[in-house]
Amino acid sequence: SQQGEEDPQALSIQEGENATMNCSYKTSINNLQWYRQNSGRGLVHLILIRSNEREKHSGRLRVTLDTSKKSSSLLITASRAADTASYFCVRSSNTGKLIFGQGTTLQVKP
Amino acid sequence: KAGVTQTPRYLIKTRGQQVTLSCSPISGHRSVSWYQQTPGQGLQFLFEYFSETQRNKGNFPGRFSGRQFSNSRSEMNVSTLELGDSALYLCASSFNTQAASYNSPLHFGNGTRLTVT
Repeated sequence: SQQGEEDPQALSIQEGENATMNCSYKTSINNLQWYRQNSGRGLVHLILIRSNEREKHSGRLRVTLDTSKKSSSLLITASRAADTASYFCVRSSNTGKLIFGQGTTLQVKP
Repeated sequence: KAGVTQTPRYLIKTRGQQVTLSCSPISGHRSVSWYQQTPGQGLQFLFEYFSETQRNKGNFPGRFSGRQFSNSRSEMNVSTLELGDSALYLCASSFNTQAASYNSPLHFGNGTRLTVT
């Protein structure tokens, strides 16, 4: 399958803790994006990291990319109950297709 | 600025029927892409349109088709519906102008929930 692996599949933490999600892929990429999806709704863009970048930050979010290991991670610091959602990594391949991970379901308990 | 609008929000059809879903992108966005989301298969890319031309296509049968109009609005059609077509269908628009690059974020609508009985 072209879909990579995301782990963990599910994560439950307390408010204030950090949450780390990982994404691995198999083929070369142009860029990698992270999205959040609240139940039954559309995806919301979080961060785009290009293949020549190693790290990007946006507020409480930090994304890293290691192209040699074909992996990326999303770190959410000081989590809040409102961060409860599913998180997806999305890769664009050089064939023009978008490839989604299976997602990590994050639950942040107040 | 209005977001991506998908209509209808919910749809119930029977096997063998056909269905058309509509997507209005954010003003100024010329790239519109479609996705199918199911519990079993997750999110899968259907196709992408840019300036009324299909630019990229996922691995779906020919029963799934789409088109884009001159105002960038897009429709997706599924013919001869099967039970397995029950899913959340998501549309996204972006400023992405380069084919196969996806260097601009995607802006998603809230989807159309299709149930096939």
